[in-house]
Parts: sequence; structure tokens; C-alpha cells
Amino acid sequence: GAGVSQSPSNKVTEKGKDVELRCDPISGHTALYWYRQRLGQGLEFLIYFQGNSAPDKSGLPSDRFSAERTGGSVSTLTIQRTQQEDSAVYLCASSLPPLAGYNEQFFGPGTRLTVL
Amino acid sequence: AQSVTQLDSHVSVSEGTPVLLRCNYSSSYSPSLFWYVQHPNKGLQLLLKYTSAATLVKGINGFEAEFKKSETSFHLTKPSAHMSDAAEYFCVVSEWGGSQGNLIFGKGTKLSVKP
Repeated sequence: GAGVSQSPSNKVTEKGKDVELRCDPISGHTALYWYRQRLGQGLEFLIYFQGNSAPDKSGLPSDRFSAERTGGSVSTLTIQRTQQEDSAVYLCASSLPPLAGYNEQFFGPGTRLTVL
Repeated sequence: AQSVTQLDSHVSVSEGTPVLLRCNYSSSYSPSLFWYVQHPNKGLQLLLKYTSAATLVKGINGFEAEFKKSETSFHLTKPSAHMSDAAEYFCVVSEWGGSQGNLIFGKGTKLSVKP
């Protein structure tokens, strides 16, 4: 079916406001990842969900960032009290369970966040 | 810990000439290596992957890459560049033995193709 979808595609917010970014993974993909891509940079890993296991939050840059995955499907990335340095494209990816060192991730189109 | 270094931030070639995008990696375990491409205003797309099978990997759109363990390299090549190849290319490593499967991205190489 459809690929990974993300919403909104663009979000402009004021410094200090909270934002929520949504990701719908490919149906059947148990693994879900969030990345951040700052202008002119590669992707930074943020957080990883695999099935019902505790998420790997090792990439979250501060406690203002959090993510949930409800029912093992849709995920929401929340950024509280946004700062200008949070401006970036936030990418979501999903994959089948990572096995034997191979986990092809399929990426969504991203949400471009601009904090004024 | 694993890491990826893309040696050129920007490569410019003429249409019809060969493309070489360089990548070196550092890994404590047996890595899986990938090249992703990102066209302007489009999502990331997997070009090719190495997962401990054949060391010469063929991908989409005529690209290929060779895994060289002795040189810890995974350079991306194409014999003849096309205008549509202009994009940003990311070398990526995924490692097992400690990681939960997240990908480590290089900083990217922007490929420009001149007519």
C-alpha cells in the first residue's frame, strides 16, 4: 500500500510554543524511527520504536523532545517550548523488524519545522 | 562506535562523465552499508545496500558501490552521469552487536551535473 506519511508537511511556529508532528508508518512495519535534518546536514537519529519494547531515546537532544507510538502504529513527536535551533526537517522512517544487520528503512517526506 | 565520513561535501561533473562519491566508515562490528539519495523537495530513497554478501553492489539508476574492508571504504560510482542524477547523496552505516538498528548518516555529498 502507501508509503510512510507525515503531517503536517510544513509547520511554522513561534518560539516557546509546543508542536506535534505525526508519522504513519507502512502497514506491518514494526520498527519506527525519527530523525532530524538541519539545513545542509546529514540526518541525526532521535528515537527508535520496535514493537512493544521500550523505545531507544538515546538521540533525543533534550527533555523538551518526546515521542509516543500508540497501538504499535502511528507515532507523534512532540517538541515543547520550541527554540529557533529546533528548526529543521523531521523525518520518520519505518521498517520490518531489524534482523541480521539489515534493516532497510523507508522514509516519509518529512515535516519542515520553522521556529520564528 | 560506528561513524561515516563522506570525503567531499560537493562534487561537480559534466553530463556523460563518470561519478565518484567517496565514503569511509568506522565500525566495531560487521556493518551494513547503504547509499541513499535525496532529490530536492523529495524524500530519501535507497540506492543500494551492502549486507555481507557480494562486495560489489549494484543499485538503481546505474549506480554501484564496492565494499573494501581493508580500506574501510564504500565509494559510490556511476560510469556516465545524467542530469537527473543531481541530488544529495548520503552514505549510511548500520551496525549490530549493540545498536538497536538505527542508521548513522554521513553529512552528505551534493552532486551537481553540468550540461
